[in-house]
Amino acid sequence: AQKVTQAQTEISVVEKEDVTLDCVYETRDTTYYLFWYKQPPSGELVFLIRRNSFDEQNEISGRYSWNFQKSTSSFNFTITASQVVDSAVYFCALTRGGATNKLIFGTGTLLAVQP
Amino acid sequence: DVKVTQSSRYLVKRTGEKVFLECVQDMDHENMFWYRQDPGLGLRLIYFSYDVKMKEKGDIPEGYSVSREKKERFSLILESASTNQTSMYLCASSLGLRTSGNVRAQYFGPGTRLLVL
Repeated sequence: AQKVTQAQTEISVVEKEDVTLDCVYETRDTTYYLFWYKQPPSGELVFLIRRNSFDEQNEISGRYSWNFQKSTSSFNFTITASQVVDSAVYFCALTRGGATNKLIFGTGTLLAVQP
Repeated sequence: DVKVTQSSRYLVKRTGEKVFLECVQDMDHENMFWYRQDPGLGLRLIYFSYDVKMKEKGDIPEGYSVSREKKERFSLILESASTNQTSMYLCASSLGLRTSGNVRAQYFGPGTRLLVL
């Protein structure tokens, strides 16, 4: 069965520190997709990135970067030079049953960036 | 930009009441989803619809039903609200596999915080 584990329940950093949010997944499918979402205090989940299982290239978008490693079943998310606006709950998610639109979410990591 | 709207941000209901949560998307997405979010449990799928009048149960459908009469609208119904249905309810939509050829991101509404007394 598919599973997503975000072992870090809460992380607190001081502004300008780098921080990595861990995501470990389990699946027997050879084709699958991984996602990261951000949920700020307002409540609405914001889509950050999608990665398919055949694309192991790391991705960088501004201060955000993602490290996908199939060998360790991990899809970690790093924020460089964190800012107070990065404070949110971050969710990692995995498609269920291969190429399907249904997702299974991790339990989320609450990131608090202190000024 | 994709716009998903939900009828209420906050809702207070009494045990036993019938509750309707409405969700509307404006991007002609085939797929629509209802989740509930509870502390420590992440998001759990209640129901999924991949076309008008089509629906599939998610992980926790008990006590809920859904309706999708039009493509842009997906309603979640609590037939007889109970206190254990107090939660944050999130609606989402996405393109379908037939249209996009692969799995696309889900876009979420702002959520409805439901309190059942």
